[in-house]
Amino acid sequence: GDSVTQMEGPVTLSEEAFLTINCTYTATGYPSLFWYVQYPGEGLQLLLKATKADDKGSNKGFEATYRKETTSFHLEKGSVQVSDSAVYFCALRGYNTDKLIFGTGTRLQVFP
Amino acid sequence: DTEVTQTPKHLVMGMTNKKSLKCEQHMGHRAMYWYKQKAKKPPELMFVYSYEKLSINESVPSRFSPECPNSSLLNLHLHALQPEDSALYLCASSQASLDLDTQYFGPGTRLTVL
Repeated sequence: GDSVTQMEGPVTLSEEAFLTINCTYTATGYPSLFWYVQYPGEGLQLLLKATKADDKGSNKGFEATYRKETTSFHLEKGSVQVSDSAVYFCALRGYNTDKLIFGTGTRLQVFP
Repeated sequence: DTEVTQTPKHLVMGMTNKKSLKCEQHMGHRAMYWYKQKAKKPPELMFVYSYEKLSINESVPSRFSPECPNSSLLNLHLHALQPEDSALYLCASSQASLDLDTQYFGPGTRLTVL
């Protein structure tokens, strides 16, 4: 079945460091791919998405490119801030289904 | 506007109580979802309603009973819950279209079962 694999956390960075959170997926057909962010004590917020190969999603300085050849959707940001500290979930929605498949989440901690 | 609202924000209930969680959206979305999230885990899908009909039930115990009174509202009725049901319950909605498939989540209801 479809699945999403994320890198283990926590990821600990200093402010202004470069961020990469790896995400790879297994799916039949052409899934849509998403990154959601969850701040402490809150629900999930959509961060960015991509719906077809080579699409780049971007929002608030974060970017991710849908790479079909490597089945990856890695999240990157050039300069993180303390306010980016949160849990980041990679997710996919398979073709012709309502179900979102989530990765296990990666906690990011950014220190001043 | 991409807002999904959920009430209450927090709920504490005993194992013999009956309570309900409420979710509302005014984005014209035709699919609505209930998820359960335990601490330090990803959300787990419970139910999906599409065009006000239950389309997915992920083998959820009958002590959880969903209801979709209209296209904007989704309820989750709770009865005879167990302490292990304590979790964050998240509602989401989407367009129910393959081309507009993004799910938007509410802030959640944090449920504690004593």
